[in-house]
Amino acid sequence: ELKVEQNPLFLSMQEGKNYTIYCNYSTTSDRLYWYRQDPGKSLESLFVLLSNGAVKQEGRLMASLDTKARLSTLHITAAVHDLSATYFCAVTLTGNQFYFGTGTSLTVIP
Amino acid sequence: KAGVTQTPRYLIKTRGQQVTLSCSPISGHRSVSWYQQTPGQGLQFLFEYFSETQRNKGNFPGRFSGRQFSNSRSEMNVSTLELGDSALYLCASSLATRASGNTIYFGEGSWLTVV
Repeated sequence: ELKVEQNPLFLSMQEGKNYTIYCNYSTTSDRLYWYRQDPGKSLESLFVLLSNGAVKQEGRLMASLDTKARLSTLHITAAVHDLSATYFCAVTLTGNQFYFGTGTSLTVIP
Repeated sequence: KAGVTQTPRYLIKTRGQQVTLSCSPISGHRSVSWYQQTPGQGLQFLFEYFSETQRNKGNFPGRFSGRQFSNSRSEMNVSTLELGDSALYLCASSLATRASGNTIYFGEGSWLTVV
């Protein structure tokens, strides 16, 4: 069974700092998704990475994918309070059956 | 463009009862999938429907079932509710079965509490 691991599980960082969230998965997949979830809310799509070496950036967030290493990273640049949320990575093998990571709870401290 | 709509948003049921949750996908989307989210188990896939056919099913007992109608709306049913079924149930819709680079969009979810 496909396993998706994220680390860290909890991340507390100061505003203005940089940090990276890691997502490892156990079985070859050609696509990797990142989602954001605010407390009590649904999942918001951030990035879809479709090929090895793919890099996408939106604002202070940048995601990359290394399919050979089965690793994706979500890099946060100059964090601001509005980025506080839980971030999930997810991988698919067939259809729209997503295997989600454990989530990384990010708190940005002023 | 309306998003994925789930009803009801919140409900409380008693052990042993059954519950039906509804999901209306984004207009034009034919794939609907369901997920259960709990603090202990995280996000787990329940099943996916495309054109009224179940395409994939997760590792859940037979008490969990679903269906999709010709207008792509979907329902999931949980019978003989257990305390452990308390969770946020999320519905997601997508244009294609393999997402084809298109992402899937999640609804706000239905919060089920079993007492």
